[in-house]
Amino acid sequence: ETGVTQTPRHLVMGMTNKKSLKCEQHLGHNAMYWYKQSAKKPLELMFVYNFKEQTENNSVPSRFSPECPNSSHLFLHLHTLQPEDSALYLCASSQDGSGGVGEQFFGPGTRLTVL
Amino acid sequence: GQNIDQPTEMTATEGAIVQINCTYQTSGFNGLFWYQQHAGEAPTFLSYNVLDGLEEKGRFSSFLSRSKGYSYLLLKELQMKDSASYLCAVRDSNYQLIWGAGTKLIIKP
Repeated sequence: ETGVTQTPRHLVMGMTNKKSLKCEQHLGHNAMYWYKQSAKKPLELMFVYNFKEQTENNSVPSRFSPECPNSSHLFLHLHTLQPEDSALYLCASSQDGSGGVGEQFFGPGTRLTVL
Repeated sequence: GQNIDQPTEMTATEGAIVQINCTYQTSGFNGLFWYQQHAGEAPTFLSYNVLDGLEEKGRFSSFLSRSKGYSYLLLKELQMKDSASYLCAVRDSNYQLIWGAGTKLIIKP
């Protein structure tokens, strides 16, 4: 596997379900991100982890719970979601603080539908 | 507040040139990025500008004017595969990316 991978690619869940999204990066990066992408809207940054420590939480509802067990893996735990949470959830990683550009590399995303 | 503006949609002809503009108002500036996103796929990095001027990379060029809060992405010799959304993003004083809503580019034969 190369780059950033995400599973599952598609997820349909009811409002009372609990599910988790998984992201893995094979780039040796030290920062990982969760974004929400809704149609015709800017990417919304949800969470940022640097060296496994959460450094950003952009007022995300508590029904979204991130977990970063190590610098290569990132999870997004979902519970009691609302229909308006239906969107594409993108994971990204970057190498920060090394003097480089620090561009973000994205996974293919999980298309989430909440019924 | 922080804001990135870019046109919602543009149409161009195969073989032609198109310029996609981006204006921004952010708290601080630590570089501007352009990404390409094909439908149903992940965004992929195209270019980065941190100093004023033009950066050229093959058929794609990106320009930045920090005093005007303005950038553009120039695509030359358009190909059908260039049909995609183009996202402008600015890294602010907290080193977080502020994203525009993207410009959907439609290429016609």
